[in-house]
Amino acid sequence: DAGITQSPRHKVTETGTPVTLRCHQTENHRYMYWYRQDPGHGLRLIHYSYGVKDTDKGEVSDGYSVSRSKTEDFLLTLESATSSQTSVYFCAISEGGRESQPQHFGDGTRLSIL
Amino acid sequence: AQKVTQAQTEISVVEKEDVTLDCVYETRDTTYYLFWYKQPPSGELVFLIRRNSFDEQNEISGRYSWNFQKSTSSFNFTITASQVVDSAVYFCALGPRSNDYKLSFGAGTTVTVRA
Repeated sequence: DAGITQSPRHKVTETGTPVTLRCHQTENHRYMYWYRQDPGHGLRLIHYSYGVKDTDKGEVSDGYSVSRSKTEDFLLTLESATSSQTSVYFCAISEGGRESQPQHFGDGTRLSIL
Repeated sequence: AQKVTQAQTEISVVEKEDVTLDCVYETRDTTYYLFWYKQPPSGELVFLIRRNSFDEQNEISGRYSWNFQKSTSSFNFTITASQVVDSAVYFCALGPRSNDYKLSFGAGTTVTVRA
């Protein structure tokens, strides 16, 4: 199994509070991604990173920010959580490269915003 | 723009039946990759297969097989002689090389295998 750890695994918080989710990898992969999973939508990309301090937006980035200060850690922050951000969040990693190596996923974080 | 459509929302079969999951994609890229992932009830996402756009050979892995047809932009997945452990949500995904390897996922197909 790919060495990916997401923390926390579950979180319940209130609207308007800041929330930070952490993804930690031990594979030294260059690429890291944050997705959210909602019924009927599959997985949608929030933000991704292609190196330390190199990040870019995905298709549903509004309301989220990310940071990557070390190769192994990719943080996702909800500055002021809203109920629409209740979801399951997955982190993924990939070697990248010419052959587009598959992404491998963490076990997910279930976030509930009341 | 890229898009993946999994038209089947749910499929229910009896054990030992075959089940085929449809995946249709749209992309303007000439080089791209297609993937299938499995999400069992425990919630983790498991990589099953990657196929690049240059390789149209079908692939078989045990009871799993994949049929890639570039002419119809489809990458279908068949489970032969289904088992209860095959019950899961299956996602098809598209990843053009030109896009920092970002994946676009279909909405998923929930497969329920009844004993």
